[in-house]
Amino acid sequence: GAGVSQSPSNKVTEKGKDVELRCDPISGHTALYWYRQSLGQGLEFLIYFQGNSAPDKSGLPSDRFSAERTGGSVSTLTIQRTQQEDSAVYLCASSSTTATYGYTFGSGTRLTVV
Amino acid sequence: GEDVEQSLFLSVREGDSSVINCTYTDSSSTYLYWYKQEPGAGLQLLTYIFSNMDMKQDQRLTVLLNKKDKHLSLRIADTQTGDSAIYFCAEKKGTGTASKLTFGTGTRLQVTL
Repeated sequence: GAGVSQSPSNKVTEKGKDVELRCDPISGHTALYWYRQSLGQGLEFLIYFQGNSAPDKSGLPSDRFSAERTGGSVSTLTIQRTQQEDSAVYLCASSSTTATYGYTFGSGTRLTVV
Repeated sequence: GEDVEQSLFLSVREGDSSVINCTYTDSSSTYLYWYKQEPGAGLQLLTYIFSNMDMKQDQRLTVLLNKKDKHLSLRIADTQTGDSAIYFCAEKKGTGTASKLTFGTGTRLQVTL
């Protein structure tokens, strides 16, 4: 596609429920990244996929968080048993292998846990 | 330091110049970037500079790079209310499949009338 697409744009869920956030990267981009941005805060790195290599999961805050990338394209970030502190904007980005021209970001999914 | 550092907040009057500063971490970083984030949106790439350059100008934007001090700045001339946003700097570390961007904490620019 022309840009990075994320869905849903907004998600309200009850504490304890599982949620899935979707990211559709730019066609041909081999690298895909997930970040979390809490209100008024900077970017918190979560996970990084590069081609067929094992993902870099070093930023995942707990084992309730997981992500997969199917067929080297679409990625899903899953949060199990959501907590109120999970409320944030989840941003996805993609890039070429070497990221020379930086990352292209999606508009994000705003997650609210009530 | 290990973190890319930026001041948190900057307020300027409409029509004045804004200068947003950034101190990055790795003198071997090959590319440096500036991103803009408007409310409710993702990050948008504004401009980038290759590490062998000292300056890059693009319309109202001027990027200055001091490799010795690992200091990057973004100057916005004739600042407008539409420039109000959060600005993130980023550095590119690594090569090939190990390439990765590290982002600063973001500077919130407020433009007043």
